[in-house]
Amino acid sequence: QVQLVESGGGLVKPGGSLRLSCVGSGFSFSDYYMNWIRQSPGKGLEWLSYIGSTGSTTFYADSVKDRFTISRDNAKNSLDLQMSGLSADDTGIYYCAAGRRRITRDGPDWDDFWGQGTLVTVSS
Amino acid sequence: DIQMTQSPSSLSASLGDRVTITCRASQTILNYLSWYQQQPGKAPKLLIYSVSRLESGVPSRFSANESGTDFTLTISGLQPEDFATYYCQQTYSTPYTFGRGTKLDIK
Repeated sequence: QVQLVESGGGLVKPGGSLRLSCVGSGFSFSDYYMNWIRQSPGKGLEWLSYIGSTGSTTFYADSVKDRFTISRDNAKNSLDLQMSGLSADDTGIYYCAAGRRRITRDGPDWDDFWGQGTLVTVSS
Repeated sequence: DIQMTQSPSSLSASLGDRVTITCRASQTILNYLSWYQQQPGKAPKLLIYSVSRLESGVPSRFSANESGTDFTLTISGLQPEDFATYYCQQTYSTPYTFGRGTKLDIK
């Protein structure tokens, strides 16, 4: 079945770095764009970063630009998020999400599914 | 950045009720609007995409519509599994902003 599994979360000190990973299975990973989304404790959802299916296109939220780097390895069905300069505001559950959009005879057809998330805690 | 103003932030309803959640975009987003459902302790799950198209497997009691930059999600005949938090998201332009969520609980 379709699955995304994140890893790499944990406790990190302010100013520290962390690398999150996400591995996909059960679908054609290289056909999908990928996103990282964060959910801070008791708060809503914040989109962080996007990478296109080939890895050639990336976008970032202003809150993480120049601190976070998204990358993917389609040969390994994997997605990474390298995070640096972490602060307490970066604490939260980090989800990877896969997406694909097609136009069919019946109209738009979007796929979208998320991993279970990995918890990042930034604290001294 | 496009702001997604979602209302209400919380909603109490009874089994069998019909409820409507609204998201207003601060500018045009064409049809790049999705709705997600999040159960406690779980990842969000796509319910509706491209304004009004139901994701495969989503019950037909869920429906959605739009009027300009106002988008609505309606649940007709609430079932126990529908009590959750709902989010809208625009993917017209980055940053792909979410609404702040609507927590639907049992009255």
